[in-house]
Amino acid sequence: AQTVTQSQPEMSVQEAETVTLSCTYDTSENNYYLFWYKQPPSRQMILVIRQEAYKQQNATENRFSVNFQKAAKSFSLKISDSQLGDTAMYFCAFMPPLGGAQKLVFGQGTRLTINP
Amino acid sequence: DSGVTQTPKHLITATGQRVTLRCSPRSGDLSVYWYQQSLDQGLQFLIQYYNGEERAKGNILERFSAQQFPDLHSELNLSSLELGDSALYFCASSVAVGWNEQFFGPGTRLTVL
Repeated sequence: AQTVTQSQPEMSVQEAETVTLSCTYDTSENNYYLFWYKQPPSRQMILVIRQEAYKQQNATENRFSVNFQKAAKSFSLKISDSQLGDTAMYFCAFMPPLGGAQKLVFGQGTRLTINP
Repeated sequence: DSGVTQTPKHLITATGQRVTLRCSPRSGDLSVYWYQQSLDQGLQFLIQYYNGEERAKGNILERFSAQQFPDLHSELNLSSLELGDSALYFCASSVAVGWNEQFFGPGTRLTVL
């Protein structure tokens, strides 16, 4: 069974700083998908960024980028020029390859606070 | 707004009761997923339906059941409720086969007293 581990329960940085959230996972699959979801105080789950395991290039979405290390089974999220609106819980998630159960396996989350 | 709707937003009930949570997927999405978010267990996958058929099962209790109707909306039925069932229940949808992004609804917060 796949597992996802987020080792940082809480993080706090100043506005405009760069912050990196860590995520490791365990799987025997070769092709899979990885995601970062954001959950602000409203509780809505919002997709931040995704990475296909077969792609070597790290995904980037504006201020958000990932460092995907397949051999190390590591998938960290970097937020540049952090903003107050980035304050939220962040969940790392794993999805098995298409064709099987397309369930998301989530980590325990990292609570990120951006301070003014 | 993800396009996925869930009703009700909040539900307060007593132990032993039965409730039904409803989800309408995004237009065109054939697959519906149910997740439970609780303090104890975190975010857990419960069950997936694709075009009316059960596709995958996760850590769903026998007291819980779900179905997807011909119009593709889905219902999650929770019976013999216990205090530990208090949680936020999310529905998500996706086009499914060939597409992996899941769009989440706003959730239903269930409180069992």
